[in-house]
Amino acid sequence: SQQGEEDPQALSIQEGENATMNCSYKTSINNLQWYRQNSGRGLVHLILIRSNEREKHSGRLRVTLDTSKKSSSLLITASRAADTASYFCATGKAAGNKLTFGGGTRVLVKP
Amino acid sequence: SAVISQKPSRDICQRGTSLTIQCQVDSQVTMMFWYRQQPGQSLTLIATANQGSEATYESGFVIDKFPISRPNLTFSTLTVSNMSPEDSSIYLCSVDRPQGTDTQYFGPGTRLTVL
Repeated sequence: SQQGEEDPQALSIQEGENATMNCSYKTSINNLQWYRQNSGRGLVHLILIRSNEREKHSGRLRVTLDTSKKSSSLLITASRAADTASYFCATGKAAGNKLTFGGGTRVLVKP
Repeated sequence: SAVISQKPSRDICQRGTSLTIQCQVDSQVTMMFWYRQQPGQSLTLIATANQGSEATYESGFVIDKFPISRPNLTFSTLTVSNMSPEDSSIYLCSVDRPQGTDTQYFGPGTRLTVL
């Protein structure tokens, strides 16, 4: 069974707006990673946040992690049409271990 | 980041046949992972492949259906055996790189359609 659940399942926004998606998980984790997938292609790694971290930034991306609530959020600021993709969270329970993926959020950024 | 290639990128196969998917990494890695992504779904781990040992399969996946080879530290294969239309999926390999950082990088995937 999947570790994580993501919401919303789908998100449609205008270019320039911010997009926020959430990921919840069930068991303790070592790290949580966010990925982007364009049109059923390979996954692009966006950002990794460890269980002892609360927030990380990378360019227009901001990720938060709340281990007490077992949840994470990914914020994409000033979205662009090229951000249209599916976004997945994935949790790792131990260092160097396998990942368990959430259901994904499909984001459509309209120009 | 690691450079990971997969062959073939896509294939259309007849039911009852088998397909072997190759995953090549540009540097040595200890652990390689194989995932399946069914249409419109998220990724599910099939197995973990370590060099020099038998692959470790997740619940619901068996070696007879998905045999895996890991002959060296840069290469692995996944075979989808006796295929049925339910095996139509994207199959992806991934590796931990750089070593010890926990970041996993994925190959471009193999899109398999079984008729």
